[in-house]
Amino acid sequence: SAVISQKPSRDICQRGTSLTIQCQVDSQVTMMFWYRQQPGQSLTLIATANQGSEATYESGFVIDKFPISRPNLTFSTLTVSNMSPEDSSIYLCSVRDRGGEKLFFGSGTQLSVL
Amino acid sequence: GENVEQHPSTLSVQEGDSAVIKCTYSDSASNYFPWYKQELGKRPQLIIDIRSNVGEKKDQRIAVTLNKTAKHFSLHITETQPEDSAVYFCAASTSYQKVTFGTGTKLQVIP
Repeated sequence: SAVISQKPSRDICQRGTSLTIQCQVDSQVTMMFWYRQQPGQSLTLIATANQGSEATYESGFVIDKFPISRPNLTFSTLTVSNMSPEDSSIYLCSVRDRGGEKLFFGSGTQLSVL
Repeated sequence: GENVEQHPSTLSVQEGDSAVIKCTYSDSASNYFPWYKQELGKRPQLIIDIRSNVGEKKDQRIAVTLNKTAKHFSLHITETQPEDSAVYFCAASTSYQKVTFGTGTKLQVIP
């Protein structure tokens, strides 16, 4: 399985500010997936990050709020912009294995917005 | 897009009993169905998965069944232990594409 490093592991932020989350994978992957898990809820896909092209956002998520970078095949960042308390969640990056099936998660970023 | 429903939302069983969690999916193109276990404060961990060309798969005390015609799949845990207590998520996808998750089942195993 892929080793996925994510940082920061947690942060407490003031409303109106932005936070950038980094995700590093130990192998080259075509797609990286960013999920949000609100307290007590399931995992909701924010966007799919492809190297060399714009990220693909799911319904309800927009690039201005969640800009994503994907400079190479092992790294991606997700920024949560102009934060409000409703953005308090766990954010998880993930990748699928070489066979395109098994999905593995990073350790997550616990974000609290005051 | 894909929609995955999961039941029950909470489940309490006595230690040693079996637990069953059921899911349905909507997209007939989905061909891969993983199950994840998430302990408090930790990332989801893949515990078992099944492909659409297989009807059942077992791994020790855990089994998953798939009814492709009815678009149903289920997780079965036998001889439950306190360490099985966690939130379980089913999911559906096609290869290389996004994975859609169910709403989760909080399993409590009572010693």
